[in-house]
Amino acid sequence: AQSVAQPEDQVNVAEGNPLTVKCTYSVSGNPYLFWYVQYPNRGLQFLLKYITGDNLVKGSYGFEAEFNKSQTSFHLKKPSALVSDSALYFCAVRESGTDKLIFGTGTRLQVFP
Amino acid sequence: DAGVIQSPRHEVTEMGQEVTLRCKPISGHNSLFWYRQTMMRGLELLIYFNNNVPIDDSGMPEDRFSAKMPNASFSTLKIQPSEPRDSAVYFCASSFPGTERNTIYFGEGSWLTVV
Repeated sequence: AQSVAQPEDQVNVAEGNPLTVKCTYSVSGNPYLFWYVQYPNRGLQFLLKYITGDNLVKGSYGFEAEFNKSQTSFHLKKPSALVSDSALYFCAVRESGTDKLIFGTGTRLQVFP
Repeated sequence: DAGVIQSPRHEVTEMGQEVTLRCKPISGHNSLFWYRQTMMRGLELLIYFNNNVPIDDSGMPEDRFSAKMPNASFSTLKIQPSEPRDSAVYFCASSFPGTERNTIYFGEGSWLTVV
């Protein structure tokens, strides 16, 4: 069965520093991987997805993610964090043969001024 | 584009009452999903529809929960009778169907409190 794991409940980073939010996956077949962000009292917003092709995927708000097949990882990155990036981030994988998205447990990103 | 529209945004109800949550998917999207988010269990898929037909309802917790999609632009999630443990945020989401590559877009959620 497909699954994703987000090993960190919270990530703290200073404004201006690079940030990484980790995600590892377990799939049979081709992985279709997604990142979403949730701001307080809001719905989930799509950031980016990996389907095929380049291992570095660029998304909204300056975020990017690196697909690494050998390490089965899909870490979310940003070169310079903003206080406004503080939110809950979810990694997700599409269940093979279905339309379903399976979500990780989420990582809370806190960016300090 | 209006996005996925959910109502009500917030609801407080008494235990035992019926709750109906509503969703209008993005126009042209034929797949519709209902998710529930709680602190304890995270994001759970309750049910999803393709072309108004329920495809997988294995996540529906109990018979107290039911979902319908009478047409391509409207879906409901009903809880009857409601219990305090149903307190959660319920998200509706939609996408184009038929391929794993498509992005799922979420509504702003219905925040339910059962007292």
